[in-house]
Amino acid sequence: GAVVSQHPSRVICKSGTSVKIECRSLDFQATTMFWYRQFPKQSLMLMATSNEGSKATYEQGVEKDKFLINHASLTLSTLTVTSAHPEDSSFYICTCRGTTGNTIYFGEGSWLTVV
Amino acid sequence: QKEVEQNSGPLSVPEGAIASLNCTYSDRGSQSFFWYRQYSGKSPELIMSIYSNGDKEDGRFTAQLNKASQYVSLLIRDSQPSDSATYLCAVQGAQKLVFGQGTRLTINP
Repeated sequence: GAVVSQHPSRVICKSGTSVKIECRSLDFQATTMFWYRQFPKQSLMLMATSNEGSKATYEQGVEKDKFLINHASLTLSTLTVTSAHPEDSSFYICTCRGTTGNTIYFGEGSWLTVV
Repeated sequence: QKEVEQNSGPLSVPEGAIASLNCTYSDRGSQSFFWYRQYSGKSPELIMSIYSNGDKEDGRFTAQLNKASQYVSLLIRDSQPSDSATYLCAVQGAQKLVFGQGTRLTINP
């Protein structure tokens, strides 16, 4: 099956710094990538939808200047958490939809801890 | 009203019994429905998808969809301890996949 890789899988950063999470589709081209956030014991909440070559569409309540999303190619999207705070500590998951069909593939997720 | 609703549980089922998980959704135009299993600290994995009314069986899993009632369920037969996880119902809208809050299932040996 299709593989979606996220990196890093775990990261710890200091409060006030920025951290970048990469999402790569390894064996297919992803026209659309979705970024989710999951707090402990809660469900996945969609943060934004990004289409290759265009600006991301953010969900209500998600600060676009704080969570920068770049979908520069059909195989790579990045999420940058700027000026991170402890409340940004969460599990971040990207999902990808290929150029054909509607199947959505999940990345392994990235644990962010802000100290 | 939440777009996708599940009973958060926890749901405890003895080993070998049938586990029944339920989900309701609000968007009548939804066409695709999914059940994901998520182990603690891991990303969700797809276990079932269903697109039309009725039942769909895959091994020990059966998904049931009733679009008129806006209801989708998952049955797990012959439950095993390895089935202990959080089960997420997800509904595909026009563009995005919306998740329920998940039901925590524990299978007791």
